[in-house]
Amino acid sequence: KNEVEQSPQNLTAQEGEFITINCSYSVGISALHWLQQHPGGGIVSLFMLSSGKKKHGRLIATINIQEKHSSLHITASHPRDSAVYICAGLLSNTGNQFYFGTGTSLTVIP
Amino acid sequence: NAGVTQTPKFRILKIGQSMTLQCAQDMNHNYMYWYRQDPGMGLKLIYYSVGAGITDKGEVPNGYNVSRSTTEDFPLRLELAAPSQTSVYFCASSSSRTGGEKLFFGSGTQLSVL
Repeated sequence: KNEVEQSPQNLTAQEGEFITINCSYSVGISALHWLQQHPGGGIVSLFMLSSGKKKHGRLIATINIQEKHSSLHITASHPRDSAVYICAGLLSNTGNQFYFGTGTSLTVIP
Repeated sequence: NAGVTQTPKFRILKIGQSMTLQCAQDMNHNYMYWYRQDPGMGLKLIYYSVGAGITDKGEVPNGYNVSRSTTEDFPLRLELAAPSQTSVYFCASSSSRTGGEKLFFGSGTQLSVL
């Protein structure tokens, strides 16, 4: 069992749709990162959360510490949002090691 | 700032050969990491470092070695390459244990062991 679970694994949306990607984890968390990996393979950091909510442009990330759950939302999705989205958690009992979800592959169709 | 520079981008090795993947960052980050990414799996931590001279094993360290003689550089050594080491490797750095506001990744190395 993965310490960090993501859903869905794959997601196809029409341009303009509101998108939600979910991340859940098994134990307490010190920090959670949302990452974006483009088809070329490069990985870019989107957000770091330890509580509450953050917003950057059309991207919104939330975390619920009690429910051990985080979500990444994309409003007004665009084909350029097509990528793999990965959550990574620094779990409270794992020292300096981040645990990564397996990623959500998002395709936005024009 | 160049960020995290990782070389090479691609490499093919024969079974039993050795090689070093280079990683350098120019952000004065203490925390540096090596990950491997296999199809359908999340990134797995190979080794990490919390500062010059300090390294520790991650989840999948067998077959690899690291050193950290300077803050900037964190090379990963593969000894006696095996097909199981075929993967995409990423180096990353951060300013703090929690990753600060961002984790910074290199562009990746696609390694095939044949």
